[in-house]
Amino acid sequence: EDQVTQSPEALRLQEGESSSLNCSYTVSGLRGLFWYRQDPGKGPEFLFTLYSAGEEKEKERLKATLTKKESFLHITAPKPEDSATYLCAVQARGGSTLGRLYFGRGTQLTVWP
Amino acid sequence: DARVTQTPRDKVTEMGQEVTMRCQPILGHNTVFWYRQTMMQGLELLAYFRNRAPLDDSGMPKDRFSAEMPDATLATLKIQPSEPRDSAVYFCASGSEGGSSYGYTFGSGTRLTVV
Repeated sequence: EDQVTQSPEALRLQEGESSSLNCSYTVSGLRGLFWYRQDPGKGPEFLFTLYSAGEEKEKERLKATLTKKESFLHITAPKPEDSATYLCAVQARGGSTLGRLYFGRGTQLTVWP
Repeated sequence: DARVTQTPRDKVTEMGQEVTMRCQPILGHNTVFWYRQTMMQGLELLAYFRNRAPLDDSGMPKDRFSAEMPDATLATLKIQPSEPRDSAVYFCASGSEGGSSYGYTFGSGTRLTVV
């Protein structure tokens, strides 16, 4: 069964304190792993897609990496505006779950000044 | 910026009433997802369409939920009859299967409250 597990559930950081969020996944052939950001009262906002182990992508203070079993979202010198829930999702390449996009429960990040 | 439009933004209804939620995908996108989000369950996949054809609706309670795409510009999710446990935020997302590197774009959601 395809599964996505994110940790920690919640993370509090002081402004400038770098850290990483984890997304562990089990899928029958990975087509893509997606990272989203969700602010309260809004829909998830797309950040990155990763396709294969070893791939990395960056956007401002965020960097996403991928291995065969997990992905990390590294946040360097975060600011209060980075506070949000970060969601990870996986999409299978084939089989009965082809195309389905499964989400983890998310990590709620709070950055305080 | 292109966006996915969902209506209504908020809906309060009485138990037993029919509820219809609408989604206008981004023009040119051929893939549409419906999700339900609650504090307890997170984002649950309800249905998935490609080129207007339903590929997967295994996440939906079949006895009361139905999802359709009457045309390429409209996706609908209906609940009949509605129950208090259906209270949640319902999201629609669209994307292009040939361009998943751009991800799938979510709408702002419909917040449903069944009393």
